[in-house]
Parts: sequence; C-alpha cells; structure tokens
Amino acid sequence: ELKVEQNPLFLSMQEGKNYTIYCNYSTTSDRLYWYRQDPGKSLESLFVLLSNGAVKQEGRLMASLDTKARLSTLHITAAVHDLSATYFCAVQVANRDDKIIFGKGTRLHILP
Amino acid sequence: SAVISQKPSRDICQRGTSLTIQCQVDSQVTMMFWYRQQPGQSLTLIATANQGSEATYESGFVIDKFPISRPNLTFSTLTVSNMSPEDSSIYLCSASGGINYEQYFGPGTRLTVT
Repeated sequence: ELKVEQNPLFLSMQEGKNYTIYCNYSTTSDRLYWYRQDPGKSLESLFVLLSNGAVKQEGRLMASLDTKARLSTLHITAAVHDLSATYFCAVQVANRDDKIIFGKGTRLHILP
Repeated sequence: SAVISQKPSRDICQRGTSLTIQCQVDSQVTMMFWYRQQPGQSLTLIATANQGSEATYESGFVIDKFPISRPNLTFSTLTVSNMSPEDSSIYLCSASGGINYEQYFGPGTRLTVT
C-alpha cells in the first residue's frame, strides 16, 4: 500500500529565507504532483513531475523528483508572504489509472 | 486544462437525510474521482467514478453510504446518505486524462450536518 509522508507538517519562516519541503513515498511510482491550497479554497496545481530527475520551476518554487530514492522536494527561494498556504504532494499509485494518494500537507506561514 | 464545477457549493443538512453533489467537467476526461477533506486535514480518496459502471471504492467507504454515478465522460454525482455529524466535511471532485497528466480539482462542496 502506497504511503506518502511530508515533512515538515508546519513551517513558519521569515520572508527572504529559503526552505525545502520533503515528500517521501513508500512504493514505486513515476508521477508526483504538488498542489497549493489557500484557506477555504480548492487545490491549485503547481507541478506534475513525470520522470526521475525531473525538475520544474515556477517563480520562487522549484520541485524535483528522485524516483530511485522515492523522494520529491519543493524548494522555496527568498520566501514572500504571498506564498503562505498549505502545500500537498500526491503520488500516483502505479498501474491504477491516475489514482493518487496525498500526503498530510505542509502548512507554511511566512512572516513579514 | 479542464475546468470543474460542483453544485452545491455548500449545504447544511439534518442528520439522517441525504445530499447529492454534482460534478461537471468542461471537457471529456478519462478518470473522475471523489475525495473528502475534513477540516485541517489532507484529502482522502473515496472512490473512482467509472463511466457506465459501478464506482471503485477505497477501503473504509461503501456504496450504500456514498453511491456514485457517472453517466457520461463529463458528469458525476456523489450522494452522502443517511448523514451524521461525522460526515461534515468538504467533498471534492477531480478529473484527469489530459496529455499533460494533470489532475484537476473542483471548488469543493462544504457540507455541515447538524
């Protein structure tokens, strides 16, 4: 059974700092998603990572995937207050028709 | 990209009643899913809505409690039956099947059971 673990679960950081959120998963998969959720809102897709070594960047966010280590990272560069949100990683269950399992989420609070 | 709408956006229901949530996608998709998100928690997959056949339920969810229909490639419904306060949650529909492997989410239905 696929298990997805994120850490940290809570993160409070100062503006301008860098930090990384980690997503580990327990069984083979070659597709990983990162989503953002603001309070009271639905999920916004950030990245879809499709292969080992994949790296994608959008603004201050960069995501990478290491399928051999079963690890993805979401790196935040020079954080700004607008990035405060909950970030979820989700991993596709191999051979299960796009079914994905979510991590618990990382609640990120960026202090001005 | 696919745009997903859900109705209703929120509802307050009495214990013992049922509510049907509708999910409409603006383009044909391969897969549709229903999730539940309890306050402050992550998303839990309820079931995969299969077009023209019975939904595939995850462990802990049963058809009698959460009947699902998917009559065509762009529409699905989830019914929450015989509700109790423990069913208070946000229910989200999602869809996938595009060439970029994106999985999109609807805005959610916020259900409160009193």
